[in-house]
Amino acid sequence: KAGVTQTPRYLIKTRGQQVTLSCSPISGHRSVSWYQQTPGQGLQFLFEYFSETQRNKGNFPGRFSGRQFSNSRSEMNVSTLELGDSALYLCASKSQGSNYGYTFGSGTRLTVV
Amino acid sequence: DQQVKQNSPSLSVQEGRISILNCDYTNSMFDYFLWYKKYPAEGPTFLISISSIKDKNEDGRFTVFLNKSAKHLSLHIVPSQPGDSAVYFCAASSSGGSNYKLTFGKGTLLTVNP
Repeated sequence: KAGVTQTPRYLIKTRGQQVTLSCSPISGHRSVSWYQQTPGQGLQFLFEYFSETQRNKGNFPGRFSGRQFSNSRSEMNVSTLELGDSALYLCASKSQGSNYGYTFGSGTRLTVV
Repeated sequence: DQQVKQNSPSLSVQEGRISILNCDYTNSMFDYFLWYKKYPAEGPTFLISISSIKDKNEDGRFTVFLNKSAKHLSLHIVPSQPGDSAVYFCAASSSGGSNYKLTFGKGTLLTVNP
């Protein structure tokens, strides 16, 4: 069974640009969450999607957005990039009814220069 | 406001001994707790969880203890092995239909020395 796949693994962008990150969940998993990991703040929740609907959102500015497609694949977008957006972005999926045992992907390392 | 705290950034243990990782939380609404392990350049891997209706859950070498009155949980690894060296994250969640997020601590780096 394939795991959670995130693309790309590494990305370098310039301040002010925008970026789109992709996540393919485990087959059959309909819940997809996104987290930002930085050395100072640890893992912080961005948003969660289920059946193309955002069910919860963390305390991030509106520059951070996401969506989920009918095949459960998800994308997140960050517009007007800032240096502080440099982080590891992690996607996680789980099946409905699972006891919160989210399966994480390996992440996308975003560097803003 | 950090709702989940792991006050020890690092812990060093000898192979074969017990590793005890601690976690404190402040939000009384949290009723489900998880531990994840993370190796460099990989995503976190789910280890073990515990519901607030229990005070202990065991899975092989890993045991999680929950003290609700103290808002404290701990992960015990016995015996510790060099392959256990990783960052360990404590996470918490509240049940209900409108909350699908995990709140993480900042992690504890465990080093198991041969």
